[in-house]
Amino acid sequence: DAGITQSPRHKVTETGTPVTLRCHQTENHRYMYWYRQDPGHGLRLIHYSYGVKDTDKGEVSDGYSVSRSKTEDFLLTLESATSSQTSVYFCATRPDGNYGYTFGSGTRLTVV
Amino acid sequence: QKEVEQNSGPLSVPEGAIASLNCTYSDRGSQSFFWYRQYSGKSPELIMFIYSNGDKEDGRFTAQLNKASQYVSLLIRDSQPSDSATYLCAVNRGSQGNLIFGKGTKLSVKP
Repeated sequence: DAGITQSPRHKVTETGTPVTLRCHQTENHRYMYWYRQDPGHGLRLIHYSYGVKDTDKGEVSDGYSVSRSKTEDFLLTLESATSSQTSVYFCATRPDGNYGYTFGSGTRLTVV
Repeated sequence: QKEVEQNSGPLSVPEGAIASLNCTYSDRGSQSFFWYRQYSGKSPELIMFIYSNGDKEDGRFTAQLNKASQYVSLLIRDSQPSDSATYLCAVNRGSQGNLIFGKGTKLSVKP
């Protein structure tokens, strides 16, 4: 395993509140990703990072922001949670030169 | 056309049979192809990757790539009930190597 830890594992939050999910890795990988997984849609890329303070948008980035102030941590923030953001969120990392990702255990987020 | 397409299944095979999972992709510039296995309620786990046309074998698993036809497949020989899972095909896109995933094929291996 690439030593990826996601927190929290489960969260229920109310519509309109901000929420931050954390991904922590111990492998010193430069690349980190946030995906969401929904029935009927599969895994979709939200944001990714290719180094400290270097981030970019994926295909479903609206309503989400990210920050990476240290190599080991990649934070995903839902600025004002909506019910459409109820999903399972996966963080992933990969080393340079090898495009195979390793995924964290996921965060199940419910927005009520 | 979706970027990565898989038959959603479920694909049901008897124990000991060969399971064949298929994937097509739209971006001719893609260079790297991956198969992930995901058990229900768990995270995806990388099981195979292939970069060159032809076959790549790893134990009971064989990945096959045909870039001309934009087709990737995964064969599982001697299927076991423990192989029952959803199999995700992923293809790289762009200079950053971001992976685009298919929606997955659910495989059920019956004892």
